[in-house]
Amino acid sequence: KAGVTQTPRYLIKTRGQQVTLSCSPISGHRSVSWYQQTPGQGLQFLFEYFSETQRNKGNFPGRFSGRQFSNSRSEMNVSTLELGDSALYLCASRLNSGNTGELFFGEGSRLTVL
Amino acid sequence: AQSVTQLGSHVSVSEGALVLLRCNYSSSVPPYLFWYVQYPNQGLQLLLKYTSAATLVKGINGFEAEFKKSETSFHLTKPSAHMSDAAEYFCAVSEIAAGNKLTFGGGTRVLVKP
Repeated sequence: KAGVTQTPRYLIKTRGQQVTLSCSPISGHRSVSWYQQTPGQGLQFLFEYFSETQRNKGNFPGRFSGRQFSNSRSEMNVSTLELGDSALYLCASRLNSGNTGELFFGEGSRLTVL
Repeated sequence: AQSVTQLGSHVSVSEGALVLLRCNYSSSVPPYLFWYVQYPNQGLQLLLKYTSAATLVKGINGFEAEFKKSETSFHLTKPSAHMSDAAEYFCAVSEIAAGNKLTFGGGTRVLVKP
């Protein structure tokens, strides 16, 4: 069974640009969550999608957005990039939104903003 | 609101010695608790989870953790450290009231000395 796949793994952008990150969950998993990991702030929850609907949202500005497609794949977008957006963005999937089962994480997309 | 505190951002242990990583949580209701491990340039992998069953939880790679409600703690232990245990470890809490999102502690980086 394939794990959570994130693309791209590494990318470099400049301030003011926008970026789109992609996540393919484990087959059969309908919930996808996104987390930002930085040395200073640690792991912070961005949002969770289930059945193409955002179910939960963290405390991030509106520049951070996401969506989920009917096949459960998810994308997150960051517009007007700032230096502080440099981070490892982790996607995680689980069977359903409401359960307390394990979150399966991808290897992340490492974004560097110059 | 749920929160997690991990005591010690870095821990150094000798190979064969006890590994003890401390985690204290704050939650308004009985929480679900997790320990994840992250190896360099990888995502997070679940070590073990507590979901209101047995208070002593056994996980993968010889790790275990004990839930102590009176101390609001969920410390992670391994009797004998191995070089392959060198990684960063994260304690996390989730609550149904918070939409089951994971709130992570700051992480503890473990160094294993030969």
